Amino acid sequence: EVQLVETGGGLIQPGGSLRLSCAVSGLSVSRNYMSWVRQAPGKGLEWVSVIYSSGSTYYADSVKGRFTISRDNSRNTLYLQMNSLRAEDTAVYYCGVGQYYFDYWGQGALVTVSS
Amino acid sequence: AIQLTQSPSSLSASVGDRVTITCRTSQGISSALAWYQQKPGKTPKVLIYDASTLERGVPSRFSGSGSGTDFTLTISSLQPEDFATYYCQQFNNYPYTFGQGTKLEIK
Repeated sequence: EVQLVETGGGLIQPGGSLRLSCAVSGLSVSRNYMSWVRQAPGKGLEWVSVIYSSGSTYYADSVKGRFTISRDNSRNTLYLQMNSLRAEDTAVYYCGVGQYYFDYWGQGALVTVSS
Repeated sequence: AIQLTQSPSSLSASVGDRVTITCRTSQGISSALAWYQQKPGKTPKVLIYDASTLERGVPSRFSGSGSGTDFTLTISSLQPEDFATYYCQQFNNYPYTFGQGTKLEIK
């Protein structure tokens, strides 16, 4: 059974940094395309970033230069380092598996950016 | 970025009704489209990919069609568990983008 568990969310002041983790079981993060998708409260879904099995990464324009996606193959864990956080980054952050669409999702981690 | 526009944004229907949701993209994406269902407080669940391929385990009352810029999700006979929000997503190129969602409510 595939399971994804996000941790690391919380309340952070504007301009601050936070790192989200997504611990994965049932498949290998190094052999799959892993993404972060976020959902602001009461809003729709927004793709944030992807890391390929090759290690290549891509980002949404809204987070480029501020967020960094990475993985630790030995821990089978995906990360999202978020710097220079803004109020508009407030959202539930989901990790997802899939090259094109996402057939496995974590339960989400809430990030609230507020003073 | 490719923009996806869903219509309607909300819809009231009754159990047993046939429902169609439309997703229009700002540029052609061939068949690189997926549909998701999301219930309140839950994670999205993929229903359809490649515009018309039913994900394993999804009931056959769900179907998808279209290519290019116009796509539809059809539920042939609404069941109580189908009341949720539905999103389309394109994966033709980055950044992947989602429609704004269609909230399906009980009439």
